[in-house]
Amino acid sequence: AQTVTQSQPEMSVQEAETVTLSCTYDTSENNYYLFWYKQPPSRQMILVIRQEAYKQQNATENRFSVNFQKAAKSFSLKISDSQLGDTAMYFCAFMTARYGSRLTFGEGTQLTVNP
Amino acid sequence: EAGVTQFPSHSVIEKGQTVTLRCDPISGHDNLYWYRRVMGKEIKFLLHFVKESKQDESGMPNNRFLAERTGGTYSTLKVQPAELEDSGVYFCASSERGGPTDTQYFGPGTRLTVL
Repeated sequence: AQTVTQSQPEMSVQEAETVTLSCTYDTSENNYYLFWYKQPPSRQMILVIRQEAYKQQNATENRFSVNFQKAAKSFSLKISDSQLGDTAMYFCAFMTARYGSRLTFGEGTQLTVNP
Repeated sequence: EAGVTQFPSHSVIEKGQTVTLRCDPISGHDNLYWYRRVMGKEIKFLLHFVKESKQDESGMPNNRFLAERTGGTYSTLKVQPAELEDSGVYFCASSERGGPTDTQYFGPGTRLTVL
């Protein structure tokens, strides 16, 4: 069975600063993908970034980047130059090819960006 | 283009009653998923439709839950009879092809409260 753990229920950061959200996972699979999803207040959850386990290079999407440590089964999200609009619940998620299209999520980290 | 929509946004029912949740996926998306988040815990997978067929229903908690997708368009999730532990937020998502390289687009969720 796959599990995803987010050990930080809440975090806060000052506007323009950098923050890192932690995520660890457990799996015996070799072929899998990792995701970070963001759910702003009262809005839909959207995909922020995706990482394939076979790719050594860490994924980057504008101000969002990941630090993927496969041996340690760690997948952290770094948000640079934090903006007020980054305030949201962030979910780390996992998917394998074996289990079709099922996403396995962590419990989420509530990030607040303060002005 | 309209995103994934869900109805109702909130539902409050008594234990033992029946509730039906509806999800309208993005037009043209053959894959439709149901997830739920209970008591601020992790978001858990319930099931996956490909068109009108149930591809994976391994996450359905018990036989009080019935999901349908007649005609391969919108989907309904019926809970009958509802129990207290069914309270939570039910999310629907859709995607075009399925699999880890395809993005799942989420709806805003239906918040179900069972009293």
